[in-house]
Amino acid sequence: DQQVKQNSPSLSVQEGRISILNCDYTNSMFDYFLWYKKYPAEGPTFLISISSIKDKNEDGRFTVFLNKSAKHLSLHIVPSQPGDSAVYFCAASKGIADSWGKLQFGAGTQVVVTP
Amino acid sequence: DTAVSQTPKYLVTQMGNDKSIKCEQNLGHDTMYWYKQDSKKFLKIMFSYNNKELIINETVPNRFSPKSPDKAHLNLHINSLELGDSAVYFCASGYGQSYGYTFGSGTRLTVV
Repeated sequence: DQQVKQNSPSLSVQEGRISILNCDYTNSMFDYFLWYKKYPAEGPTFLISISSIKDKNEDGRFTVFLNKSAKHLSLHIVPSQPGDSAVYFCAASKGIADSWGKLQFGAGTQVVVTP
Repeated sequence: DTAVSQTPKYLVTQMGNDKSIKCEQNLGHDTMYWYKQDSKKFLKIMFSYNNKELIINETVPNRFSPKSPDKAHLNLHINSLELGDSAVYFCASGYGQSYGYTFGSGTRLTVV
């Protein structure tokens, strides 16, 4: 039962434009959400997170938006750069006090930034 | 210095064999994890250890046995390997219940 879904397996975007990655979840108990970035032959690296008490979190070129009523979050990358070409994973958890860092991941979205 | 290191990076073995994957972290974290990335690319948690104690044990076959000799190491031993065990296994570490944890680069296990 996959509770975190990334329905777009791939995204191609021109350098300098905005990349928008989407993630949907089904479990209303999730209250903490993260994005990880992964290059080939490397492990995922933490990018940005958001708690369910917020609807937006920004870190440099990366912004995550959370719409709890729609059970949807998105990651915006502005402007996109060639080094952003990677697989992006959305992840969610049911509560920091409860789940000892247990994360549920989506299947990932491959982003390709073209010149 | 690699923060979370896994060995070996690649492992090809025959069905029925027993193999181990080692993980070490030098970040001073007190919690370590094993995740499995299957052929559909989903990352799924297998185990979590906090200060050498097993905290999370997902529904993993008991052929998989994690061992944490100290809080800097978490090894994964797999008995009687099956074709379906072929996957990439990631070790990770973090502080307690923090989520921004650090992953190793993965071990690609192929069972033939």
